[in-house]
Amino acid sequence: GENVEQHPSTLSVQEGDSAVIKCTYSDSASNYFPWYKQELGKRPQLIIDIRSNVGEKKDQRIAVTLNKTAKHFSLHITETQPEDSAVYFCAATPGGYQKVTFGIGTKLQVIP
Amino acid sequence: NAGVMQNPRHLVRRRGQEARLRCSPMKGHSHVYWYRQLPEEGLKFMVYLQKENIIDESGMPKERFSAEFPKEGPSILRIQQVVRGDSAAYFCASSLGQGGTDTQYFGPGTRLTVL
Repeated sequence: GENVEQHPSTLSVQEGDSAVIKCTYSDSASNYFPWYKQELGKRPQLIIDIRSNVGEKKDQRIAVTLNKTAKHFSLHITETQPEDSAVYFCAATPGGYQKVTFGIGTKLQVIP
Repeated sequence: NAGVMQNPRHLVRRRGQEARLRCSPMKGHSHVYWYRQLPEEGLKFMVYLQKENIIDESGMPKERFSAEFPKEGPSILRIQQVVRGDSAAYFCASSLGQGGTDTQYFGPGTRLTVL
């Protein structure tokens, strides 16, 4: 089955700096890669996703890149703000099947 | 358009009792997934269901746990004879199920505490 590794497990940045979270996956059939943000005590919320036919996707301060050859994808948050503080999960889904495999999560702390 | 609904939000049970967790998917969604999250840990897949069918239950313990998604009504995750190790947040997610890889949307979760 799919295995998703995520790092770092914790990340502290100064407000205004950029944050990068990296994930690798094992199943070459995976073709959908969502990222979720989970604030303390709340539900995971989709913030951005990318499909395997695209190498990069951007939405305001958030961008995701995908390297299918190397089987890794990354989340980039620019101009971080305190409200970006949360746990971020990457995930991968093999094509034609809906089971999503999540990474372990990255706890991001943005220091004002 | 209401999002994914779960109830109860908090559930306290004593060891040996049964826990029933309910999930109503988003309107128009026919696929439901259950995940378990232990404190300070990630989301662990438990089971994937479509209406009246269990598609994948590979993440669900073989004993004491069961799930259903009937033709009418919410999906139910049932835990019999709960033990302290069952204490966790249980999240349900739903998706359209139109084929390919569609997005899963999560409910607010049920936080189960076993005394």
